[in-house]
Amino acid sequence: DAKTTQPPSMDCAEGRAANLPCNHSTISGNEYVYWYRQIHSQGPQYIIHGLKNNETNEMASLIITEDRKSSTLILPHATLRDTAVYYCIVKIGGATNKLIFGTGTLLAVQP
Amino acid sequence: GAVVSQHPSWVICKSGTSVKIECRSLDFQATTMFWYRQFPKQSLMLMATSNEGSKATYEQGVEKDKFLINHASLTLSTLTVTSAHPEDSSFYICSARVFQGAVLTNEKLFFGSGTQLSVL
Repeated sequence: DAKTTQPPSMDCAEGRAANLPCNHSTISGNEYVYWYRQIHSQGPQYIIHGLKNNETNEMASLIITEDRKSSTLILPHATLRDTAVYYCIVKIGGATNKLIFGTGTLLAVQP
Repeated sequence: GAVVSQHPSWVICKSGTSVKIECRSLDFQATTMFWYRQFPKQSLMLMATSNEGSKATYEQGVEKDKFLINHASLTLSTLTVTSAHPEDSSFYICSARVFQGAVLTNEKLFFGSGTQLSVL
């Protein structure tokens, strides 16, 4: 699976959009981009995933560049409860493939 | 979304004893579950893949005789830490795979809430 690079930490003001970047320059054509987050002392939570088109759900939006070498997770109106470590993971879809976590980005939403 | 229940949330045990952690999929069947371990201020590390009705697949460096995994039904996987020692103290998390619709490549993992193990 391709390696991802994320900034170790970011701050965001409450109520503002949080834009979390992820570089995955070695991504291959059949690898999906997944985002999960982990609030302190809890299990990770699925946020969103995509292959090449931009995706939006009730939690966030995922913007994938045309060359697929990077992506951005957007939380449109961050709240204090969004403070967490956000993990960007690329992996091939399918039953035989495992989800391997990197170091992630610690997003601190400030009041 | 799908619910994965993990029990217990925390456990304290004496060195040398064994501890069992349960992971249940509450509203779906999970043929595959994953066990992760997380040390403080570190990322999740995959320990093993648990397959219903067959032996678990362990990641390199994980002792299969120390971390016994049983996946006897489609809704339950257990991890037993045998002869636990203080260095086994960690946050253990299970997850189950869910496929979206009939598309096998469109999958998500749902995670339990984790078990904090402290070995004295």
